[in-house]
Amino acid sequence: GQQLNQSPQSMFIQEGEDVSMNCTSSSIFNTWLWYKQDPGEGPVLLIALYKAGELTSNGRLTAQFGITRKDSFLNISASIPSDVGIYFCARGQKLVFGQGTRLTINP
Amino acid sequence: DVKVTQSSRYLVKRTGEKVFLECVQDMDHENMFWYRQDPGLGLRLIYFSYDVKMKEKGDIPEGYSVSREKKERFSLILESASTNQTSMYLCASRKRTGSEQFFGPGTRLTVL
Repeated sequence: GQQLNQSPQSMFIQEGEDVSMNCTSSSIFNTWLWYKQDPGEGPVLLIALYKAGELTSNGRLTAQFGITRKDSFLNISASIPSDVGIYFCARGQKLVFGQGTRLTINP
Repeated sequence: DVKVTQSSRYLVKRTGEKVFLECVQDMDHENMFWYRQDPGLGLRLIYFSYDVKMKEKGDIPEGYSVSREKKERFSLILESASTNQTSMYLCASRKRTGSEQFFGPGTRLTVL
């Protein structure tokens, strides 16, 4: 099946730092979604993007739908301990997921 | 509050056993999905269902089957469990016209 390339695979940062992760696809899609998975739980939707160039914020999180419709990024500003988890990008109606970015924060 | 529940959080089975993983949603969603999650591979779609008694293969259906007899329930069946099916299994549901999938907490299955 089609895959998304998500990077980085893992990040180790200090509390308070900003975080950036991205996803790329070889195909064009109309929807990009970003999910977060807390340890021991299922993923929860953070941000949904529906238009090329769209920039959407949810608190300290900002995500953008790339102009080419083949990529998306997620930024987290001023990270806090509860940001720890695995972040997934996903796209399309049948939802193909990226490999995930595992975020670890040192207090 | 929307809810997707899975019958077990942890399950240990032996090779060759028949395994049933149950998922129930209370949101009257038409679409339901089964994924497996493995480190470094993200979530991979096993099967999905657009409505009652309808099912379609996802990206990795081999070794699995599904059943959707009622709208709220979607079951994943491992006919003869193998060690390479040790994984985290996640169920999700979605309204037919929506894009957001709501996930259950997952079942961590170990096959010995």
